[in-house]
Amino acid sequence: DAKTTQPNSMESNEEEPVHLPCNHSTISGTDYIHWYRQLPSQGPEYVIHGLTSNVNNRMASLAIAEDRKSSTLILHRATLRDAAVYYCILRDSKANDYKLSFGAGTTVTVRA
Amino acid sequence: KAGVTQTPRYLIKTRGQQVTLSCSPISGHRSVSWYQQTPGQGLQFLFEYFSETQRNKGNFPGRFSGRQFSNSRSEMNVSTLELGDSALYLCASTRWSSGKPLPQYFGPGTRLTVL
Repeated sequence: DAKTTQPNSMESNEEEPVHLPCNHSTISGTDYIHWYRQLPSQGPEYVIHGLTSNVNNRMASLAIAEDRKSSTLILHRATLRDAAVYYCILRDSKANDYKLSFGAGTTVTVRA
Repeated sequence: KAGVTQTPRYLIKTRGQQVTLSCSPISGHRSVSWYQQTPGQGLQFLFEYFSETQRNKGNFPGRFSGRQFSNSRSEMNVSTLELGDSALYLCASTRWSSGKPLPQYFGPGTRLTVL
């Protein structure tokens, strides 16, 4: 399985943007980039996903490098509710990728 | 649209007992997956059901079983509980697609403690 690499932790101030990097240098052409997050004592929450083009939704934006070897999740204005562990994973559309497997993720701390 | 719901939210059992956990997926979602999450092992896949059939299974002993009903609601059962079964059990649902891997939407989980 193609792997991803994320920083262990990041800190941000409330109402400032947060840029979370993810490296996936061995990504294949059929891999989608998915982001999930998990708040303390809650189940994981789907954030966003993309294949080649940048994507926006109400929660975040996903910027994908032209060579697809890296991507960045952007939280435009961090709130205290955004403090969570963020997971970047690759999901293969060719392989009937039915299960999720998270790495250590990035722990985001938001300062008031 | 209502999210994924799981009941109960918390459960305390003793070794040797059995437990049944319930999951109601998002309306229209036909695939339901179950995961176990522990601090040491992280998120581990248990099994996935689609149209009342188990399509995929993770590497867990036969004490862990599940089923899905015609309304897509799912239950999982753990028999002969062991201390190591203490974990957060998560249910996730998704629409079915033959190609593109769609997002999975998780419930809040059931926190099981085995004493």
